[in-house]
Order: sequence, then structure tokens, then C-alpha cells
Amino acid sequence: GAGVSQSPRYKVTKRGQDVALRCDPISGHVSLYWYRQALGQGPEFLTYFNYEAQQDKSGLPNDRFSAERPEGSISTLTIQRTEQRDSAMYRCASSPPGGQRNEQYFGPGTRLTVT
Amino acid sequence: EDQVTQSPEALRLQEGESSSLNCSYTVSGLRGLFWYRQDPGKGPEFLFTLYSAGEEKEKERLKATLTKKESFLHITAPKPEDSATYLCAVQGTSYDKVIFGPGTSLSVIP
Repeated sequence: GAGVSQSPRYKVTKRGQDVALRCDPISGHVSLYWYRQALGQGPEFLTYFNYEAQQDKSGLPNDRFSAERPEGSISTLTIQRTEQRDSAMYRCASSPPGGQRNEQYFGPGTRLTVT
Repeated sequence: EDQVTQSPEALRLQEGESSSLNCSYTVSGLRGLFWYRQDPGKGPEFLFTLYSAGEEKEKERLKATLTKKESFLHITAPKPEDSATYLCAVQGTSYDKVIFGPGTSLSVIP
């Protein structure tokens, strides 16, 4: 079946512009995570949704970062007034309900470059 | 502060040469410890979840074990296709976020 998809796969933007990154989880998965991953490092937690509820946003670096999942499916991570330090790989992961809820399925990521 | 460290940073093995990767963690209460495999340019791929000390899980040439402070990923008779970065992560009982370690980059030489 279809896995987690993310779009765009690559995004180049100028400093000060807003960007929206999209995540389409696996159908039926209720939990959704956003991560940021630097080269040679493990994913860094940003935020977590259970259905449409944002349960934990403690990893968002500052108030320029926000995320939503209004209908409990597709999620959008928005970065306002981008800065060069925001350049990174942004990854989304989803988890099924029930006994396998700890298994996260990752998407291919969006590579964001801020010039 | 909860954290995860992994060692070694990189490991180079001959095909068939068994070894172990280490994951050390500090967490106030462990809900689960996870191992993932990540190939270059791709997202992490789930391997195992361990919940309590003494637990072991196996999959093909991989076996994961857990103590109260560490987890080990044992690789028996590795093949070149086992080359990847192996990530360890933990989730505490008091939160939903998952904390990843920096990973161990494994290269298996034919």
C-alpha cells in the first residue's frame, strides 16, 4: 500500500518568505510526528498529533514554526519568515492505532534550503 | 534531561564479522526503546520496540536486547546489504515525543 508522502520533496526559498510543508500519512494512522534531521544526526522531535489534536509541540524551535492537522489526516508544518538556520531535512512519520502504535513509518522528507 | 547516546559513531566490518552497536539512554520512566535503520537519502525504517529490561527481539541477522540503562543491537554474520545507519530512540512515560540518538553508521565490506 501507499506509504507516507511528503511534498514538496525539495524547497528553495529566500530568507523572510513563509513556507508550508505537507505530510500525507498512511490511511488509518492516527498519530503523526514531525521531525527535523540534520546531516549525520538522528531526527529531532518537533511536534506530535493524535488524530487532529496537537498533543505535544515542545520541540518547535520558536513561534515562527506551527503545525496543524485539521481533519486528523493531512498535516501542514508552516515556517514563517524563514531564516538560513531553518535549512534542514524535515521528516514526517505516522503510526497506526493499537498494539503497533509505537511503530513509526517515515516519509521521504522535504529538503528545505533557505538562501 | 532525557537523552540517548550511541557508540561507536561509525563501524566497519568484514562480511561475516559479528559485532554489537550500543545505545545508552537516560529517561525518567521508559515507555519504549526503538531501533530504526536508515539508508542514505531515505527515511528511517522501523526495526524493533523493546519495553522492559531483559527483553530481546530478533529479525534475521539482528537481535536487540535491553537493560535498564542500555540497549544493544547485535549483528550476526553481517552482509553488505546490512550497511546503513542504525538509530536508537526512546519514549518516556510522561510524554509522547520520541528522542533519537545520533546513530551508528555501519559499513559491511565484502
